[in-house]
Amino acid sequence: DTAVSQTPKYLVTQMGNDKSIKCEQNLGHDTMYWYKQDSKKFLKIMFSYNNKELIINETVPNRFSPKSPDKAHLNLHINSLELGDSAVYFCASSQGAGYGYTFGSGTRLTVV
Amino acid sequence: LAKTTQPISMDSYEGQEVNITCSHNNIATNDYITWYQQFPSQGPRFIIQGYKTKVTNEVASLFIPADRKSSTLSLPRVSLSDTAVYYCLVGVNRDDKIIFGKGTRLHILP
Repeated sequence: DTAVSQTPKYLVTQMGNDKSIKCEQNLGHDTMYWYKQDSKKFLKIMFSYNNKELIINETVPNRFSPKSPDKAHLNLHINSLELGDSAVYFCASSQGAGYGYTFGSGTRLTVV
Repeated sequence: LAKTTQPISMDSYEGQEVNITCSHNNIATNDYITWYQQFPSQGPRFIIQGYKTKVTNEVASLFIPADRKSSTLSLPRVSLSDTAVYYCLVGVNRDDKIIFGKGTRLHILP
């Protein structure tokens, strides 16, 4: 069973479109995250949610919005996509301090 | 925010022990030290986490000196499949802006 699953795995779309990436975890973790890995392979945290409350919101454009319908899901909505949004987006979850993150397999977003 | 510094790349041979050292001079009292492994086209995978002294699991060992300003990930008897990028992180999982650095690209040769 996949612990953290995200869909789709690949997403190719045109500039200006709106898209969503879904993430689900079956680990019972309290906190979920979204990370962005750019072409230089830097992993940067975008958001985290703890018990449906946003607790970290890095300086990302407000075109990106996380939505958590319940503790097991944290979806990422992106409006008005730009070329610079092309990257691999990783969802992760954590049980808390001392337990580390569990990452999904990533969604490769390509904006053309 | 505790910043980490690690070698950009390392090469080793199958069967060798590999040690990757990470510097984190401004580590805070509550910070944990965590190492992740990432293969191409996959998400990072948790390897090991520690707070002080030594931690060992079935995959690796983590050595942390008393001042906690550095840590060393030790991989015993590496194989070709250990070729990956290894990230050293410092921070507290929840409510913190944990930063992934550039990582160390480990290349295992036959």
